Amino acid sequence: QVQLVQSGAEVKKPGSSVKVSCKASGGTFNTFTITWVRQAPGQGLGWMGRIIPALGIANYAQKFQGRVTFTADISTSTAYMELNSLRSEDTAVYYCARADDMEVWGQGTTVTVFS
Amino acid sequence: QSVLTQPPSVSAAPGQKVTISCSGSSSNIGNNYVSWYQQLPGTAPKLLIYENNKRPSGIPDRFSGSRSGTSATLGITGLQTGDEADYYCGTWDSSLSALYVFGTGTKVTVL
Repeated sequence: QVQLVQSGAEVKKPGSSVKVSCKASGGTFNTFTITWVRQAPGQGLGWMGRIIPALGIANYAQKFQGRVTFTADISTSTAYMELNSLRSEDTAVYYCARADDMEVWGQGTTVTVFS
Repeated sequence: QSVLTQPPSVSAAPGQKVTISCSGSSSNIGNNYVSWYQQLPGTAPKLLIYENNKRPSGIPDRFSGSRSGTSATLGITGLQTGDEADYYCGTWDSSLSALYVFGTGTKVTVL
């Protein structure tokens, strides 16, 4: 059974960067995409983009273009999401999910940005 | 600002049926499969329906999905208290802003 386990909560200052990890177990990591979704407090879901681990190719939502980078390490079955130039509006829970259908989700990582 | 519109809330008594609509356009629902996700309070979302009307293993047949034109619908029959959650539709979109879009979300309340 596939599981995605994400890194722990982060507290960051405005202007800094955060890198969230998402480790897969119980399945074949490089045969599916990894999708990243974020949810601000009390808000709905927002698609950030996805990465194809086997190819290292990523697609980003226009909203995050230039500020976010997805990477993947096949040797450790781990995907990463790095968001730069953090601002208070980036305070949210960040989720990774397996495949374009998002059939399996990580538990979420809370990122808090405040000065 | 989501391009997929859902009612903010729906409610019904235990055992009853609810339906949740998801309205889009030809750039998204009209030409792509729709998925539905359930988010129980304080937890990560879970895939309920994919490819308009298919249920992943373990999802009871009380949950059903359909698509017609540029709209999709999620149905929940035999409503249970454990179904109280937020529900989101999602699909691919050919616009430049995002490849995939979620609906605005619907809160289901069991009376």
